[in-house]
Amino acid sequence: GQQLNQSPQSMFIQEGEDVSMNCTSSSIFNTWLWYKQDPGEGPVLLIALYKAGELTSNGRLTAQFGITRKDSFLNISASIPSDVGIYFCAGHNNDMRFGAGTRLTVKP
Amino acid sequence: ETGVTQTPRHLVMGMTNKKSLKCEQHLGHNAMYWYKQSAKKPLELMFVYNFKEQTENNSVPSRFSPECPNSSHLFLHLHTLQPEDSALYLCASSQGEGPWGTEAFFGQGTRLTVV
Repeated sequence: GQQLNQSPQSMFIQEGEDVSMNCTSSSIFNTWLWYKQDPGEGPVLLIALYKAGELTSNGRLTAQFGITRKDSFLNISASIPSDVGIYFCAGHNNDMRFGAGTRLTVKP
Repeated sequence: ETGVTQTPRHLVMGMTNKKSLKCEQHLGHNAMYWYKQSAKKPLELMFVYNFKEQTENNSVPSRFSPECPNSSHLFLHLHTLQPEDSALYLCASSQGEGPWGTEAFFGQGTRLTVV
């Protein structure tokens, strides 16, 4: 089906390091989105991707829509403590499907 | 004022209670959604409304009953819930059409505990 496999499940990194996470599926999606969720809050949209191969940046965040339309990755450069949270990928066709999330911990 | 507002933020209810969750969006969007977020599970889509019409019901038990009186308001009526229904319930909205129609904006959620 349209299940999204997001990895890694969790990451523990040092402040200043770069982070990479990805999402794969056996299904093709027309749109890929990346969200961040802080504790006790709803997910916040970070980046939306609409075309295969598209590479989009939002500050220190960069995301790409895989050329096969079955995957996407998110990179965070020079991590800072406020990057802590859970990052979700989402793929959209007729409705939105979410990955299980990557929990990021940044050590000062 | 945030774009999508959910009330209450926290709710504890007994299995025989009836309660309602409320969502309001101030973004001029046409589509609204209910999601359930349980620990260590992906967000589960429950219901979708487009232009006040329910377009999707993802096999949700009838003890959850949505209502969308207009494109700005969405309710989730709860009745005789089970402890396993305890979760964070998230409301979201999107334009529903057009090139950016899929960008969903979420409320802060209602943390529901069924005792």
